[in-house]
Amino acid sequence: GAVVSQHPSRVICKSGTSVKIECRSLDFQATTMFWYRQFPKKSLMLMATSNEGSKATYEQGVEKDKFLINHASLTLSTLTVTSAHPEDSSFYICSARDRLTGGEDGYTFGSGTRLTVV
Amino acid sequence: AQTVTQSQPEMSVQEAETVTLSCTYDTSESNYYLFWYKQPPSRQMILVIRQEAYKQQNATENRFSVNFQKAAKSFSLKISDSQLGDTAMYFCAFIRNSGNTPLVFGKGTRLSVIA
Repeated sequence: GAVVSQHPSRVICKSGTSVKIECRSLDFQATTMFWYRQFPKKSLMLMATSNEGSKATYEQGVEKDKFLINHASLTLSTLTVTSAHPEDSSFYICSARDRLTGGEDGYTFGSGTRLTVV
Repeated sequence: AQTVTQSQPEMSVQEAETVTLSCTYDTSESNYYLFWYKQPPSRQMILVIRQEAYKQQNATENRFSVNFQKAAKSFSLKISDSQLGDTAMYFCAFIRNSGNTPLVFGKGTRLSVIA
């Protein structure tokens, strides 16, 4: 089945530094990538939607200058947390829309990245 | 806008018993898809079952089945013969049939299967 590889799975960084999270669709072309943030024992909160070759669309309240999203190809989307602060510590997860199947089969999720900012 | 409501934050069930997780949704769309996702402690999102709104027949996947009531906008998940490995967060999700729209999730139900 469809697989989205998300790296790194865990990262610890110092406050003020930037962290890049990658999501790669391994066996399909992802026209759209959705980026979520999840707090412990909570639901997934949509941060932004990125379409290949276009600028990302951010949800209300999400700082686009802090969470930089790039979707340069049909198989790779990245989320960069810039100037990270402890309050950015969270679980980040991506999900990809297959160009061929759309959303009717649900989207394929990456395995998530646990970010800890110290 | 679509909303998904899961009214049971936590549930528990004895191993081998049956449990039903509730989900209601609100939409003005006529054609859409509904899903149940499982998120175990590993936090990997796993698709459990899907339902197409235009199909009246309830979807089933082995021990998992749904009760889809379109008029009532209800989409419950029944887990039969519960197993310890079923312990997880379960999210009900909605997606409309058109466009690059994201899944809309409920708040989740934490299910614990007790030996």
